[in-house]
Amino acid sequence: AQSVTQLGSHVSVSEGALVLLRCNYSSSVPPYLFWYVQYPNQGLQLLLKYTSAATLVKGINGFEAEFKKSETSFHLTKPSAHMSDAAEYFCAVRLLGGGADGLTFGKGTHLIIQP
Amino acid sequence: KAGVTQTPRYLIKTRGQQVTLSCSPISGHRSVSWYQQTPGQGLQFLFEYFSETQRNKGNFPGRFSGRQFSNSRSEMNVSTLELGDSALYLCASSGTVANTGELFFGEGSRLTVL
Repeated sequence: AQSVTQLGSHVSVSEGALVLLRCNYSSSVPPYLFWYVQYPNQGLQLLLKYTSAATLVKGINGFEAEFKKSETSFHLTKPSAHMSDAAEYFCAVRLLGGGADGLTFGKGTHLIIQP
Repeated sequence: KAGVTQTPRYLIKTRGQQVTLSCSPISGHRSVSWYQQTPGQGLQFLFEYFSETQRNKGNFPGRFSGRQFSNSRSEMNVSTLELGDSALYLCASSGTVANTGELFFGEGSRLTVL
């Protein structure tokens, strides 16, 4: 079974500072990995995905993530935070070829942007 | 292209009642998944349908059920509601048969059980 751990339920950064949201996964086979963002009272929007192609994945809104197999990590970064980045971020994993468990999500990280 | 549409957006029920939630996927998408989101448990997978067949099911009691119609629209039903069923129920659709996991989510149906 796969699992996802997001370190830090809340992360606070200043506007213009680097954003780093941490995600570690556990999977017995190579997985697909995703980052989703959720704004208040809305559904989830896909930021980026890793599907065994390039290990550095670029997404929307200036976000990117790097798949590191040796560290079983898929951390999300953005060089310069904007106020509009304030939201809940979820890391998710799914086994290659699908899986009986659907997407497995982490608990989420609430990103706070300080002016 | 219209996104995933969920109805109703908000509803209030009392314990013991049942509820039906509806989801219309993105046009052309044949896979529909349902997730429950609560502050305590986070996002949990309920079930997934593809071409009217349930492909996967999460670890939820039998009170939770779903179905998919020939036009890919899906409904989920929760019978004998409990207080703990209060949650945001999210529907997601996917266009890939192999299902790499990229899901497009609706805005959810927020259920409150009193």
